[in-house]
Amino acid sequence: DAMVIQNPRYQVTQFGKPVTLSCSQTLNHNVMYWYQQKSSQAPKLLFHYYDKDFNNEADTPDNFQSRRPNTSFCFLDIRSPGLGDAAMYLCATSRGQGNTEAFFGQGTRLTVV
Amino acid sequence: AQSVTQPDIHITVSEGASLELRCNYSYGATPYLFWYVQSPGQGLQLLLKYFSGDTLVQGIKGFEAEFKRSQSSFNLRKPSVHWSDAAEYFCAVGFSGGYQKVTFGTGTKLQVIP
Repeated sequence: DAMVIQNPRYQVTQFGKPVTLSCSQTLNHNVMYWYQQKSSQAPKLLFHYYDKDFNNEADTPDNFQSRRPNTSFCFLDIRSPGLGDAAMYLCATSRGQGNTEAFFGQGTRLTVV
Repeated sequence: AQSVTQPDIHITVSEGASLELRCNYSYGATPYLFWYVQSPGQGLQLLLKYFSGDTLVQGIKGFEAEFKRSQSSFNLRKPSVHWSDAAEYFCAVGFSGGYQKVTFGTGTKLQVIP
């Protein structure tokens, strides 16, 4: 049973047209992460939520925003996608306490045309 | 700052042969270490993890890894590779403090030939 679900799996958007990617979890984890992974590169952390507390990485462009309306859902908003934003976007969750690993969704492949 | 190095970008092995993927980390304290596997177009699946205790850890799909503090390494091994093991493998390091904010290595792409 999928525990971290990302929708859609594939998203095509136009240059400059806002797009939202979604992630949901059934694990009731405190922490939700968004990673960007470009072709043949390591996943790069964009930001994460610890419960409602938002934590932005220093080098995450302002073009990327996130919302977490409740424990189960987290959204990645790209306000004006550029060609360089084409990538796989990975959502992950983890417990907020103790030694634990991150659980990843299947990812959303974003294409910008 | 923590960092992870995977020196091999691409490795090719024959089916049935043994496998070792290298991972070196840089971190000032005892790290939390992970190996993830990613099939094409998929998310990351955890193979195994090291937090403390026995330095030889067993994972899923017949994989194991050994933490060597003196060498700052956490190499992944499998005694006999199957064709279905072809994928990309990522080593990652996290740090203690309640929850994991990990740094990934650049990955090693494994090709398995008959």
